[in-house]
Amino acid sequence: SYELTQPPSVSVSPGQTARITCSGDEMPRQYAYWYQQKPGQAPVMVIYKDSERPSGIPERFSGSRSGTTVTLTISGVQAEDEAVYYCQSPDTSDTYQMFGGGTMLTVL
Amino acid sequence: EVQLVESGGGLVKPGGSLRLSCAASGFPFRNAWMNWVRQAPGKGLEWVGRIKSDVGTTDYAASVKGRFTISRDDSKNTLYLQMNSLRIEDTAVYYCTTISDPDYWGQGTLVTVSS
Repeated sequence: SYELTQPPSVSVSPGQTARITCSGDEMPRQYAYWYQQKPGQAPVMVIYKDSERPSGIPERFSGSRSGTTVTLTISGVQAEDEAVYYCQSPDTSDTYQMFGGGTMLTVL
Repeated sequence: EVQLVESGGGLVKPGGSLRLSCAASGFPFRNAWMNWVRQAPGKGLEWVGRIKSDVGTTDYAASVKGRFTISRDDSKNTLYLQMNSLRIEDTAVYYCTTISDPDYWGQGTLVTVSS
């Protein structure tokens, strides 16, 4: 079955750059989406279609891809960015939506 | 302003049934494809299924196929999730979401399956 793989955790100091990766065999053929989830809250989309940023999402959030891996980059990390981040992408048939296991971003 | 409000969650015994609702407003619901996504306590996100607009074609995750049914009433701007033969592992917060770029999520409703 199709799987998306993320690192369980990433830690950075305030002001540094955080990079969270997501890999999957079918990634080259499908767009990737990124969500931020803070405790007790519903997820919020921070990147869609690989690199597009919804209105209201700070410019420090960006997305990119290389082959079977997509990356969420948060430049100049702030304390408020501490959250779990999920990648999401459909399978090749565009039927089944898959989520990665989530990455806990800790701001030291 | 887009709003999605889920309701219908609660405590149910294994093997029981429950129907969740999602009231939508602030966008043309009849044209929208919609998802259900769930999150077990302390776990990650899991896609449950989706329904398209127009004829309402549905797709489901393997874990719920044959037990869960997604439907919609465009006259009421409401999305439904009928859950039958519930299992303990179905315990989760259930979210309805739009399928759009970007998307919108409700606040979720908790379903607890326990004897």
